Amino acid sequence: GENVEQHPSTLSVQEGDSAVIKCTYSDSASNYFPWYKQELGKRPQLIIDIRSNVGEKKDQRIAVTLNKTAKHFSLHITETQPEDSAVYFCAASQETGANNLFFGTGTRLTVIP
Amino acid sequence: SQTIHQWPATLVQPVGSPLSLECTVEGTSNPNLYWYRQAAGRGLQLLFYSVGIGQISSEVPQNLSASRPQDRQFILSSKKLLLSDSGFYLCAWENRERNGYTFGSGTRLTVV
Repeated sequence: GENVEQHPSTLSVQEGDSAVIKCTYSDSASNYFPWYKQELGKRPQLIIDIRSNVGEKKDQRIAVTLNKTAKHFSLHITETQPEDSAVYFCAASQETGANNLFFGTGTRLTVIP
Repeated sequence: SQTIHQWPATLVQPVGSPLSLECTVEGTSNPNLYWYRQAAGRGLQLLFYSVGIGQISSEVPQNLSASRPQDRQFILSSKKLLLSDSGFYLCAWENRERNGYTFGSGTRLTVV
């Protein structure tokens, strides 16, 4: 099955700086890579996703890059704000059949005002 | 609009007692449904998934089971809870347009 690894487990940045979270996956058949943000005590929510036919996708301050050859993908948050503080999860799936998402172990991002 | 309901929000159960968590989806038909568990400080572990009524697949062996008696209803059960079953349980659905998962609000289960 798919194995997703995520680094770092914790990340602290000053407000206004950039944050980068990296994930690797093992199954070359995976072709869908979403990112979820989970605030304390709440449900994870999809913030951005990328499919294997593109290498980069951007949505305002958030961007995701994908390197299929190296089997890794990254989340980039620019101009961080205190409300960006949360746990971020990457995930991978084959987007066929049941489309099971396999999640990374999460990164706790703290933005220091 | 499409919504997902999960209950109860919190649950404290003694070891050996049964469990039933329910998840329902509104505003969609034939969704893929999932149960995940999030242990304290850890990631999301896929427990069960279902692509249709009565169709259940398990990702990990355990003393939990799942059922899908109706198209938009997904139930997580146990006959006898273990201490290690404590965690945050999340139901999720995915529509056929592949717009990612939408998670329920979760159930925080504490087995004592």
